Amino acid sequence: ETGVTQSPTHLIKTRGQQVTLRCSSQSGHNTVSWYQQALGQGPQFIFQYYREEENGRGNFPPRFSGLQFPNYSSELNVNALELDDSALYLCASSLEGLMNTGELFFGEGSRLTVL
Amino acid sequence: AQSVTQLGSHVSVSEGALVLLRCNYSSSVPPYLFWYVQYPNQGLQLLLKYTSAATLVKGINGFEAEFKKSETSFHLTKPSAHMSDAAEYFCAVSATDSWGKLQFGAGTQVVVTP
Repeated sequence: ETGVTQSPTHLIKTRGQQVTLRCSSQSGHNTVSWYQQALGQGPQFIFQYYREEENGRGNFPPRFSGLQFPNYSSELNVNALELDDSALYLCASSLEGLMNTGELFFGEGSRLTVL
Repeated sequence: AQSVTQLGSHVSVSEGALVLLRCNYSSSVPPYLFWYVQYPNQGLQLLLKYTSAATLVKGINGFEAEFKKSETSFHLTKPSAHMSDAAEYFCAVSATDSWGKLQFGAGTQVVVTP
C-alpha cells in the first residue's frame, strides 16, 4: 500500500513569486486535504478536495488555490508569496463515503521558505 | 464552530513515569476528537480517535484517551513513558459532518528524560 507522498520536500522562494506543491494520495483514497503548519504551531486547515471539487475551505485568501485530478492526486498553488507563507505544508488523504473511518493519512510535508 | 485548547506547550517526563497531555475542546455539535503525534521532520500519525462510540479510547503505542462530555475534555495518557515517546502531540476536533476538516490545537512537546 503506497502512502501519501509530497513534492518537493523543501523549497525556497522569494516574496511575490508563485509556488506549486504536489501530493499523491494513498491508494484507494478519494479525498485530499491541505494544511499549513507554521513553526511552533498546529496545522491549520486550508481546503479539501473531493471528486475534483473544493469541498470546504479554511480562513485562507484566494491566492491559495488547489486542484484535484482524476487519479485523486492534488496540487496546492500559492500566488504572490508573502513572508508569512513560510511553513510546512501538509497533505492528507482520506476516504469519503460509507467506508470512511475518520482517519487522515498525512504525508511528510513540503517545507516552504519565503525570503 | 470547533476549537481545541492544549494545556502546556512543553511537558517533561521521566522514563517509566505517567504521561498526561491535556486537551479541552469547544464544539457546537457533537464532535469527533483525535490525537496525532509528529516526530521531527515528519508528518502526523494518528494515535487514536473518538467518534461517538466508547468514551475510553485505546490507541497505538500504549496511549489511551477518555472523552468526558461534562468536562469537554479528551486527555491523552500513557502509564509508562518510553524514550521513543519524545515527540510533539496534537489534539484535534472536527464536526461530525466535516470529515477531514480538523481544527488542531497548538501542540504539546514531550521530552522524556532517562
